[in-house]
Amino acid sequence: TQLLEQSPQFLSIQEGENLTVYCNSSSVFSSLQWYRQEPGEGPVLLVTVVTGGEVKKLKRLTFQFGDARKDSSLHITAAQPGDTGLYLCAGTGTYKYIFGTGTRLKVLA
Amino acid sequence: DAMVIQNPRYQVTQFGKPVTLSCSQTLNHNVMYWYQQKSSQAPKLLFHYYDKDFNNEADTPDNFQSRRPNTSFCFLDIRSPGLGDAAMYLCATSRDHAHEQFFGPGTRLTVL
Repeated sequence: TQLLEQSPQFLSIQEGENLTVYCNSSSVFSSLQWYRQEPGEGPVLLVTVVTGGEVKKLKRLTFQFGDARKDSSLHITAAQPGDTGLYLCAGTGTYKYIFGTGTRLKVLA
Repeated sequence: DAMVIQNPRYQVTQFGKPVTLSCSQTLNHNVMYWYQQKSSQAPKLLFHYYDKDFNNEADTPDNFQSRRPNTSFCFLDIRSPGLGDAAMYLCATSRDHAHEQFFGPGTRLTVL
């Protein structure tokens, strides 16, 4: 069974701080996505990474796909209250689309 | 803008009263998915359609059914909602199984 474990599960930080969220698996994924979900809304796709070692930037967010395509990280620089939400990684596994366990981020003003 | 639309955004039903949730897409994607999501957990896949081919997850209760009359529309029918079925229901689409999914805003279902 393919699993995507995210850490930390919960994170509460002050505005302006940096943070990193991890998404780990023992399985190889052909691609991996990161989503942000705000309360009462559906997940919004932030990025797709495909190539091992790939780094993508989206304003203050930096996404990295592990060299072996088994893990990924999301780094947020100078977090803002608008970054608050549930962050989900997801990947195309062998048989189905797998969601990570989720990281709930709260950024305090 | 191409998008995934869900109606209604909020649905209240009574215990045991059938309810239908709808999803439409303008992306012309082949695959449409229905997920159930409870209290900040990851979405749980109920079933999906690849074109007209229906694929049910092994642990999806028989109480949940789906219809896809055409490429653009997909419906989730809950035949006899129980209190445990109260959740956010998310519709998503993808070009095919190997591509990322795009989600609608969800329907929050309340069962009284």
